[in-house]
Amino acid sequence: DVKVTQSSRYLVKRTGEKVFLECVQDMDHENMFWYRQDPGLGLRLIYFSYDVKMKEKGDIPEGYSVSREKKERFSLILESASTNQTSMYLCASSLGGQGARGEQYFGPGTRLTVT
Amino acid sequence: GENVEQHPSTLSVQEGDSAVIKCTYSDSASNYFPWYKQELGKRPQLIIDIRSNVGEKKDQRIAVTLNKTAKHFSLHITETQPEDSAVYFCAAITGNQFYFGTGTSLTVIP
Repeated sequence: DVKVTQSSRYLVKRTGEKVFLECVQDMDHENMFWYRQDPGLGLRLIYFSYDVKMKEKGDIPEGYSVSREKKERFSLILESASTNQTSMYLCASSLGGQGARGEQYFGPGTRLTVT
Repeated sequence: GENVEQHPSTLSVQEGDSAVIKCTYSDSASNYFPWYKQELGKRPQLIIDIRSNVGEKKDQRIAVTLNKTAKHFSLHITETQPEDSAVYFCAAITGNQFYFGTGTSLTVIP
């Protein structure tokens, strides 16, 4: 059973703070993804990674960066948090070899509030 | 980039009736179309998918159809049950990019 975990379920940060969201998967998946989920906008891809130290921008990368130093861990970084980054953040992973066309397994989500 | 539109945004059906959710996409290069179900407070989970060389796929009470010419695909749920109540997301994959629709909140009324 695939397990994708995220470091926090709820997080409250102040404007301008640097924020780290951590995601860990235990199934040796090559691919990892970060999304944000907002009402009426669905899931939007921020960044994804198909291998260690590799990253590619998704649809809305502005204001975010990522780090993939180890295969099992994919971190999302908000360099200077802003109120418009208040959202639910979902991490996902999938097997490699299929690009984005494999089933994605999602973490439980982190609800981030920036005040 | 790809643009995925999903309709309706909310849908209520009586238990036992069918539900249909429709999505359109813009990029003819998209070649994989999964559907995810997200129950309240839970993570999205894949329920069915279809690839561009197939027109229809069924799995028990759910089915997905794909019309590549018209660039639309649909999710069909028959004999709906209360546990089908959830938010459903369609998605289209172009190359290595994953584009989700905005979601449909389905309520099945007992």
